[in-house]
Amino acid sequence: QAVLAQPSSLSASPGASVSLTCTLGGGIDVGPYRIYWYQQKPESPPQYLLRYKSDSDQHQGSGVPSRFSGSKDVSANAGILLISGLQFEDEADYYCMLWHNGASVFGGGTKVTVL
Amino acid sequence: VLLVESGGEVIQAGESLRLSCAASGFVFPNFALTWVRQAPGKGLEWVSSISGTGGSRYYAESVRGRFTISRDNSNNTLSLQMHNLGADDTAIYYCAKGGGDDFWAGYPGHYGVDVWGQGTTVTVSS
Repeated sequence: QAVLAQPSSLSASPGASVSLTCTLGGGIDVGPYRIYWYQQKPESPPQYLLRYKSDSDQHQGSGVPSRFSGSKDVSANAGILLISGLQFEDEADYYCMLWHNGASVFGGGTKVTVL
Repeated sequence: VLLVESGGEVIQAGESLRLSCAASGFVFPNFALTWVRQAPGKGLEWVSSISGTGGSRYYAESVRGRFTISRDNSNNTLSLQMHNLGADDTAIYYCAKGGGDDFWAGYPGHYGVDVWGQGTTVTVSS
């Protein structure tokens, strides 16, 4: 069974670049998978940010700023969401997701605080 | 694109409930649809997905055998019939549209989900 591990929290200053990791467990390799990223602000539904499988298979959500980007760290078996030039409005919970063996799996989420 | 969930309420443990999601703004039969829930103060949990035709359905282990996902492509409506509800089912239930814009958009998991409804709250009282 696929397991997605995310750090529970992360803090950074405005203007910083932060990398949110989504580490795959359960014996599956990140390489073949599309990793989806969602942002959720308090009292609001999640919003789709982007998906990343490779540089040739990626998609940015409609209206999502280009400072949000995806990548992978194959050596760490992880998907990565990079936020460049962190802004106060980026303070939110971020979830990764993938589809594996006929089921979707979400990571536990990372709470990003902008100090 | 608009997704509007309804049907959430406070119910007793062991009872049944049916949630609905009214969709508009896209060609409904062309897209897979998904239910995701979020317990109070917790993260997102995938519940169930259905293909564009309704011919393929997928369930989380935690709800398999108790929940049934269905869709009415003539009325642009997604439903979730829930039986034998317990306290662990207390959550906001979100309806979400599958992503993509080609043939594969009708298949769950191929493009994830890209639009979410506002959610409907189910509270199971024991």
